[in-house]
Amino acid sequence: DAGITQSPRYKITETGRQVTLMCHQTWSHSYMFWYRQDLGHGLRLIYYSAAADITDKGEVPDGYVVSRSKTENFPLTLESATRSQTSVYFCASRDETAPSKLFFGSGTQLSVL
Amino acid sequence: GIQVEQSPPDLILQEGANSTLRCNFSDSVNNLQWFHQNPWGQLINLFYIPSGTKQNGRLSATTVATERYSLLYISSSQTTDSGVYFCAVAEGSQGNLIFGKGTKLSVKP
Repeated sequence: DAGITQSPRYKITETGRQVTLMCHQTWSHSYMFWYRQDLGHGLRLIYYSAAADITDKGEVPDGYVVSRSKTENFPLTLESATRSQTSVYFCASRDETAPSKLFFGSGTQLSVL
Repeated sequence: GIQVEQSPPDLILQEGANSTLRCNFSDSVNNLQWFHQNPWGQLINLFYIPSGTKQNGRLSATTVATERYSLLYISSSQTTDSGVYFCAVAEGSQGNLIFGKGTKLSVKP
């Protein structure tokens, strides 16, 4: 199906472990984004990518790594998970026309114990 | 950076009532969007509305860019309208959206 999909939907991990959250879109959108959603903070931008092999930091990038070797995929890696990274993570995409509508995946609920 | 404030933070309505949600922003923007997050967490793009007025069924939105605010109107509310409504604006050449903290709407049957 066309759209933007995230996996896994739920993830429980332990402090110190590496975790990768996946994001895949079928629209061939140039721009992709990772947000985290926390109570009291709303949605905050972690990283974004304007095209394959081009990534840049957002508001809260510390502790996260991204890559974008293919236009359709934008994985987010927590290299050594911490409890403060317990959150709901949303991937989003839009086309290259700025400004344009932003579309979200269904989110990944991550718990770090 | 740009600040986005939404009001009210919480709103409880009886089914069939009308409501107005407000979004104020601190600087000029070239992009403003409204989103609905349903009780299952899905974020749906309602409007892209940097200026002017748009309508989609029972929902409409108006942005007055010169006065730095936007309004989202919900008429004849239904229980399925429940959730959190976010306003987001874009600053900078890349147009990355900055989100407000949302208005949580509960529509009672």
